[in-house]
Amino acid sequence: DAGVIQSPRHEVTEMGQEVTLRCKPISGHDYLFWYRQTMMRGLELLIYFNNNVPIDDSGMPEDRFSAKMPNASFSTLKIQPSEPRDSAVYFCASTQGAGGQGNEQFFGPGTRLTVL
Amino acid sequence: DQQVKQNSPSLSVQEGRISILNCDYTNSMFDYFLWYKKYPAEGPTFLISISSIKDKNEDGRFTVFLNKSAKHLSLHIVPSQPGDSAVYFCAAVQGAQKLVFGQGTRLTINP
Repeated sequence: DAGVIQSPRHEVTEMGQEVTLRCKPISGHDYLFWYRQTMMRGLELLIYFNNNVPIDDSGMPEDRFSAKMPNASFSTLKIQPSEPRDSAVYFCASTQGAGGQGNEQFFGPGTRLTVL
Repeated sequence: DQQVKQNSPSLSVQEGRISILNCDYTNSMFDYFLWYKKYPAEGPTFLISISSIKDKNEDGRFTVFLNKSAKHLSLHIVPSQPGDSAVYFCAAVQGAQKLVFGQGTRLTINP
C-alpha cells in the first residue's frame, strides 16, 4: 500500500485566495483525520470522519475552513479566503476503527501551506 | 487550553545515555495514551502506547510510564541513538479514535 497520500506537498498563495488540500486515505480505513501543525500549538485536530461522515468538527478554526469526504478514498480541506495566520503544515491521517480504542493512525507527509 | 502538555520544547542527550520525555494531561477521563515520532518533512509515526490499567509498557529500547494520580506520563529511550533525533508527540485518546496531541518535544542525540 502507498500509505496516506496528500497533495500538494507545498502550497504558496496570496491572502484572500482559495486553497484546497487533498487526501487519499489507506484503502480499508474507515476513519480520516485532518490535523494542523504549528509551532505554538503543536498538532491540532481540525475534523475527523467515520465512514465518510463528519463526526467532530469542533477543531475547525472558523467558517473559512470546510472539509468534505465524498467517498471512502478521497477528502478535501478547503480554506476560503485564506489568511497569513493559516500558514502551517496540514496533515491527513487514517485508521481502521474496528476492535480497538486509539488505534494507530497513519499520517500522510503533510502539505506545507504558506499564505503571503 | 491545552489538555495535553509537553513543557519541554527541546531536549539534548548524548548518544548511549537515557532520554526522558515528559507529558502532562489535565483530563482525568483520558484512559489511553500514545507516543508518536516525527522526522522533518514526514508525517508522525506511531511509537508506543499505554492503557490506564497499566503503569508501564515496554517495547525494545522504548518504555512508557504512566502515573495516573499525577496525570503524568513519560517516554524513556535507552540507549539513545542518533536515529532517535526527531520530534516526539504525546497524545491522549478522547472517545474511540480522537487523539489530543501535545505541542511536541524536539529530541537531539549528540554523538
